[in-house]
Amino acid sequence: EPEVTQTPSHQVTQMGQEVILRCVPISNHLYFYWYRQILGQKVEFLVSFYNNEISEKSEIFDDQFSVERPDGSNFTLKIRSTKLEDSAMYFCASSEQGLAGIKDTQYFGPGTRLTVL
Amino acid sequence: QKEVEQNSGPLSVPEGAIASLNCTYSDRVSQSFFWYRQYSGKSPELIMSIYSNGDKEDGRFTAQLNKASQYVSLLIRDSQPSDSATYLCAVISGGYNKLIFGAGTRLAVHP
Repeated sequence: EPEVTQTPSHQVTQMGQEVILRCVPISNHLYFYWYRQILGQKVEFLVSFYNNEISEKSEIFDDQFSVERPDGSNFTLKIRSTKLEDSAMYFCASSEQGLAGIKDTQYFGPGTRLTVL
Repeated sequence: QKEVEQNSGPLSVPEGAIASLNCTYSDRVSQSFFWYRQYSGKSPELIMSIYSNGDKEDGRFTAQLNKASQYVSLLIRDSQPSDSATYLCAVISGGYNKLIFGAGTRLAVHP
């Protein structure tokens, strides 16, 4: 069964460093997402991406964050200058269509645990 | 602010019993509703989606939706210890498919 994959599974970085989290969405999916979950808290939406553009972003997704689809398979989340509060699980998800009102399902990758020291 | 509310639990049920998980949402125009299961340290795993009022059954799981009451529920029949996890209710409210998650209900099924 097709699945979303993410690398690395765990990333440890020093505050102020840049990190890139990588995702390979399901191959025929057109919409891609990043969510994060701080330990013990809700899963929170960060950004959605379609046709090489950001479709929607949350207020969490400030100028320190960026997303990119550098080739036909990868989808990346970059945090330019990490802060302690960026420590969280970051989940990538993908869906086939991504349009509201159409029955569509987001499938999540296993996540990257980011630890900022 | 669009909200999804769940009782955090833990909900403790004996093996073989029915577990009933509830969720309310604030945005009346919400169109799509999902239940995900999350084991500790793992990613959300889709269990059920529901789009229309009424019941939807899939194996031991039944999702129920009442849009007038802005209420979604999940019933798990014949609960097993392997069902012990946090169950996340998620809602999409128009626009692009941004999932809004509740905080989750922790279910513990004891032998």
